[in-house]
Amino acid sequence: GAVVSQHPSRVICKSGTSVKIECRSLDFQATTMFWYRQFPKKSLMLMATSNEGSKATYEQGVEKDKFLINHASLTLSTLTVTSAHPEDSSFYICSAGDDGYTFGSGTRLTVV
Amino acid sequence: RKEVEQDPGPFNVPEGATVAFNCTYSNSASQSFFWYRQDCRKEPKLLMSVYSSGNEDGRFTAQLNRASQYISLLIRDSKLSDSATYLCVVTNSGGYQKVTFGTGTKLQVIP
Repeated sequence: GAVVSQHPSRVICKSGTSVKIECRSLDFQATTMFWYRQFPKKSLMLMATSNEGSKATYEQGVEKDKFLINHASLTLSTLTVTSAHPEDSSFYICSAGDDGYTFGSGTRLTVV
Repeated sequence: RKEVEQDPGPFNVPEGATVAFNCTYSNSASQSFFWYRQDCRKEPKLLMSVYSSGNEDGRFTAQLNRASQYISLLIRDSKLSDSATYLCVVTNSGGYQKVTFGTGTKLQVIP
């Protein structure tokens, strides 16, 4: 089955720094990948749709200058949280694929 | 009204019981439907797709009712390992495909 790899699984960073999260499709090509964030005991919220070779499509309320998405190849999308603040602490997860979407294992970001 | 609504639970059921969850969606143009399972602090994993004709996979049965705009998940002979949060997922197509998750229904199977 389709495999999506996400890295890192856990990161702690200082307020004001930037953090890059990678999402890779290991055994298939993904022209589209999705980025979500999930707060404790809450549903996954779609942040943006990452499109290979073009600009990402951001959901309403998501700052594109803060959450930079790059989808430079058919197997890699990156999400960079710029100038991170404690309120950005969350579980970030990517997905890709056509049938039901396969998820990466998620990245737990803690901004201190 | 939320786009996708689920009863958050928790549903506490004894081993061997049958339990059913419903999920309602507001957009009548929704195209695809799925049930995902999410264990605590883990990523969601696809449990099953939901087709108009309904589908069954072992102890799990999923059904779609387009007229009433809901999908259901039935779990028979519950196992302790079924304890998890079950997420309803609905996709719409409007220029680009949009995926919406329900908040999940928590199931706790008790010995």
